[in-house]
Amino acid sequence: EAQVTQNPRYLITVTGKKLTVTCSQNMNHEYMSWYRQDPGLGLRQIYYSMNVEVTDKGDVPEGYKVSRKEKRNFPLILESPSPNQTSLYFCASSLRAGEQYFGPGTRLTVT
Amino acid sequence: GNSVTQMEGPVTLSEEAFLTINCTYTATGYPSLFWYVQYPGEGLQLLLKATKADDKGSNKGFEATYRKETTSFHLEKGSVQVSDSAVYFCALVVSNFGNEKLTFGTGTRLTIIP
Repeated sequence: EAQVTQNPRYLITVTGKKLTVTCSQNMNHEYMSWYRQDPGLGLRQIYYSMNVEVTDKGDVPEGYKVSRKEKRNFPLILESPSPNQTSLYFCASSLRAGEQYFGPGTRLTVT
Repeated sequence: GNSVTQMEGPVTLSEEAFLTINCTYTATGYPSLFWYVQYPGEGLQLLLKATKADDKGSNKGFEATYRKETTSFHLEKGSVQVSDSAVYFCALVVSNFGNEKLTFGTGTRLTIIP
């Protein structure tokens, strides 16, 4: 089954404690992306990757890092989380522009 | 820059009612247009798309027509069901030599009551 998986699905953490949200896709897609979803703001892109070892900033990259060492994986790293990073995070991958497959989401709370 | 404006929600309708969710856009370049749907507790799923002017996207009884002259892509369904209750996002992409970033509207929550 074609899918994008994310882990964990829910996470509560404290300010400053480094965390990683994993993302994996089984469709051999080159393009992957991270979004955050906030009420009234829709989804905003954090980072994207066009292929292995090729990553770039989206609209709201501050406070986040990513890596793309393998085609299937695209982890999102928060080195020092802050409360304003409390949000719902989605990973996505695509074969064709705009036709993205989304993971189930990770709800992060930073206290 | 690119932006998408969709009607404010929430929208509540009775089963079998006619649905319209308005969406307009601004874009630098020639966009492709999409509707995504998010069911409770799930990620977004592509509902339909249109890639050029006058194209009509359709899926699961939903339709939307790419209107370049009015920069619109309104979502319609003739007879909604309870199972259509979800959040609907209008989105666009302008292929930019690699970043296939979707620009989303803020979403419209639809609730269908039996």
